[in-house]
Amino acid sequence: SAVISQKPSRDICQRGTSLTIQCQVDSQVTMMFWYRQQPGQSLTLIATANQGSEATYESGFVIDKFPISRPNLTFSTLTVSNMSPEDSSIYLCSGSENTEAFFGQGTRLTVV
Amino acid sequence: AQKVTQAQTEISVVEKEDVTLDCVYETRDTTYYLFWYKQPPSGELVFLIRRNSFDEQNEISGRYSWNFQKSTSSFNFTITASQVVDSAVYFCALSEDTNAGKSTFGDGTTLTVKP
Repeated sequence: SAVISQKPSRDICQRGTSLTIQCQVDSQVTMMFWYRQQPGQSLTLIATANQGSEATYESGFVIDKFPISRPNLTFSTLTVSNMSPEDSSIYLCSGSENTEAFFGQGTRLTVV
Repeated sequence: AQKVTQAQTEISVVEKEDVTLDCVYETRDTTYYLFWYKQPPSGELVFLIRRNSFDEQNEISGRYSWNFQKSTSSFNFTITASQVVDSAVYFCALSEDTNAGKSTFGDGTTLTVKP
C-alpha cells in the first residue's frame, strides 16, 4: 500500500493563528481525506479532498475554518484557521485506492 | 446512517491472556467494508484488517483473529496470548463507500496489557 508522509508531526500554536498541515503520498491515489481526533476521542471525518476542485465537507465543518487544497493526486494540505484551544487535536490525512486505506502519522496540534 | 459501536471503553489483561474486542455496526447498505486499526501511544493509525460484507470467512493472522458475523452485525477481534506491545487503542471502522478512506469509526477500545 501507499505511504503517506505528514508534517508537521506536532506543533504548539498561539490562538488566533493558522497552521497548514501537509500530506505527501508516495504514489497517486484516487481519494484523500482529512480526519480530526480530539483528545481521548475517536476519529471524525472533516472532509474529502478533491483533486482540482473544492473539498467536500462533512456536517459541522466549514471551508473558512478548514480550507483544504489538493493540487494533484499525491499531495494535500489542511489549514486550521484562526485557532482556538478547542482545535487542539490530532489531525490525520488518509488516502484510499478502492478498498485499501492508509493514514499519515498524524499531526498533534496544541493551541495555547 | 452508519454507526460503529465499541462497547468496551477500556480493557486490562495480564500478559499471555487472550482478549476479545467487540465491534457492532449498523448500515443499510448490502455492500460495505469493515476495518480494524491499532493506534499505539505514538499516535499513528496502523491498519490491521479489512473485510468486505460478502466475505464472512473468519481470518487468523498470527496471534490475531477476527470473527465476522453478519447475522449479529458484529466484527470482533481476538488477540491470543497478549503481549505488552499490544497495548494500544483499537478502532473498528465501517466504510459504505468503495473508497475505504472514508470511514465511520467506533469510539475505540483502550487495551492495556500488564506484564
